[in-house]
Amino acid sequence: DIVMTQSPDSLAVSLGERATINCKSSQSVLYNSNNKSYLAWYQQKPGQPPKLLIYWASTRESGVPDRFSGSGSGTDFTLTISSLQAEDVAVYYCQQYYTTPRFGQGTKLEIK
Amino acid sequence: QVQLVESGGGVVQPGGSLRLSCAASGFTFSNYGMHWVRQAPGKGLEWVSFIRYDGGNIYYADSVKGRFTISRDNSKNTLYLQMNSLRAEDTAVYYCAKVTFASGDYVSSSGAFDIWGQGTMVTVSS
Repeated sequence: DIVMTQSPDSLAVSLGERATINCKSSQSVLYNSNNKSYLAWYQQKPGQPPKLLIYWASTRESGVPDRFSGSGSGTDFTLTISSLQAEDVAVYYCQQYYTTPRFGQGTKLEIK
Repeated sequence: QVQLVESGGGVVQPGGSLRLSCAASGFTFSNYGMHWVRQAPGKGLEWVSFIRYDGGNIYYADSVKGRFTISRDNSKNTLYLQMNSLRAEDTAVYYCAKVTFASGDYVSSSGAFDIWGQGTMVTVSS
């Protein structure tokens, strides 16, 4: 099993400031034949199902604001929110789909 | 619009059984693999099971293997999860989720989970 570890577990950022969440996989999720990392990011607000934000580590899902961006390759990944908005308060999860899927433990993002 | 609606949750005693359903609409269900994901109260997301678009290539998490069975009826646009020998630790909201890419043979080729249902609560308690 590929284990996903996120850091930090929680994060408080001021409105308009940058938020950065990290995700590390216990093995590489980069498929060499297509040079894609099988890594996704999801946002979950209270009482709602998760929402896909990013897949292939850096491809933004349709309709996702461009303040959300993903980066990284292999085993180390980052989700960045360039200018935090009030509606971005949520728990964020990374997930690998290279093998049987596994989610990180989640990072709770709050307003400072 | 693309929609997934789960049903079948409820309260069941330990050792009991329950069948969840996930009704799909707004897309060609038979072209897409599907997943079940669960979330225990106040906890994170746990992947449960995957079924390929045609019902082949089925996978389970170790925590449910031998107790849960995933299936689909493409003529009814519906995904199922048969849950037997339920335990307290199976208590969770159960979500069905659609994969991003059509006709994927495996979890990896099917991509991320782009559409999720609202979930159905399963409580295992005496």
